[in-house]
Amino acid sequence: GEQVEQRPPHLSVREGDSAVIICTYTDPNSYYFFWYKQEPGAGLQLLMKVFSSTEINEGQGFTVLLNKKDKQLSLNLTAAHPGDSAVYFCAVSLTSGGNYKPTFGKGTSLVVHP
Amino acid sequence: GGIITQTPKFLIGQEGQKLTLKCQQNFNHDTMYWYRQDSGKGLRLIYYSITENDLQKGDLSEGYDASREKKSSFSLTVTSAQKNEMAVFLCASSIAQGGGERLFFGHGTKLSVL
Repeated sequence: GEQVEQRPPHLSVREGDSAVIICTYTDPNSYYFFWYKQEPGAGLQLLMKVFSSTEINEGQGFTVLLNKKDKQLSLNLTAAHPGDSAVYFCAVSLTSGGNYKPTFGKGTSLVVHP
Repeated sequence: GGIITQTPKFLIGQEGQKLTLKCQQNFNHDTMYWYRQDSGKGLRLIYYSITENDLQKGDLSEGYDASREKKSSFSLTVTSAQKNEMAVFLCASSIAQGGGERLFFGHGTKLSVL
């Protein structure tokens, strides 16, 4: 089945620096890609959903890159601020329809120092 | 908007005890999930349900039972709590079980076993 490796497990940056989290997946048929953010004591909140057809996806203060050739998904927080401190998870799933559940990475704990 | 409510927020049990966690959603979503979150291990799927009275085993179902008697609620039972067990259990829902559907998460139930 699908395997998702996420790195690094822990990341510490200063305010204003960039922070990059990378996920590598194994199934070439993977089609939907998600980034979730989990703040302390809370559930996961969707940051962005990415389709297989789009390589660069821009959100508010972050960019998600999809490299299908290398089967890699990355989240780049361009100028991190303390409010970005959280645990981030990637998730990958196959095409829509049928019995396809997302496979999650193990998470990255990000700390942004003022 | 909707909300997912998990009860209780904190659960302390004794070794060997049967413990039940509850989850309610008012999104009117078809699919509901139970995940276990352990530090360094990410999210592992325990059970999911694609409709009322349906149950599907995830990767970590041994030692757990689940029940979906109503569309809006999904409960999870730890059949025999393990000594020193500590984990967060997250409930989630999605509109359907297609691979492209985002998940909405509750805030979690934190389990500690004495």
